[in-house]
Amino acid sequence: EADIYQTPRYLVIGTGKKITLECSQTMGHDKMYWYQQDPGMELHLIHYSYGVNSTEKGDLSSESTVSRIRTEHFPLTLESARPSHTSQYLCASSESMSGAGELFFGEGSRLTVL
Amino acid sequence: GQQVMQIPQYQHVQEGEDFTTYCNSSTTLSNIQWYKQRPGGHPVFLIQLVKSGEVKKQKRLTFQFGEAKKNSSLHITATQTTDVGTYFCAGTSDYGGSQGNLIFGKGTKLSVKP
Repeated sequence: EADIYQTPRYLVIGTGKKITLECSQTMGHDKMYWYQQDPGMELHLIHYSYGVNSTEKGDLSSESTVSRIRTEHFPLTLESARPSHTSQYLCASSESMSGAGELFFGEGSRLTVL
Repeated sequence: GQQVMQIPQYQHVQEGEDFTTYCNSSTTLSNIQWYKQRPGGHPVFLIQLVKSGEVKKQKRLTFQFGEAKKNSSLHITATQTTDVGTYFCAGTSDYGGSQGNLIFGKGTKLSVKP
């Protein structure tokens, strides 16, 4: 069982609120990712990190921001949530710095913005 | 840009029938991975293939990587209701595209009628 945790699992908030989705892993992985996925649809990479103090934008443009102050922690923040941000956000980590290693996914955070 | 195409998008089978999903890349891949996502769940790693022409089996699942390392397939023999879910392929470009990150296909959603 993978040791990667996301909170909250479900969040319903109003437009304009600031939210932070938490992601922590205890496997000591340097590389971490955030994916956005609408129900039953494809995975879109929105952010990734090679390690502490490293953050990179993914293939899909996102208004969210991320930080990586500690190896095990990779939170995602939306300063002002909008209904268009409604989606599932999946955090993942891998031992490999390249794409050659298995991705371990958290259980996801399902965000609904009213 | 680099794309990984996956077909079919949906597949409905009777329990006991076989199932195959196909993955095709526009460029050569250094590796291909397969993930399964149960309804309401998160993607879980199934396998990775790295060698040209490689074939791997996991019980009723057979995975193949094409000779040109541009395509892959997942075949399930005698499907069971526990096979229900979305199967994603994901590959890493041989040319460093997508910053070396995995590129996911759109997935094939499998439903199994008992």
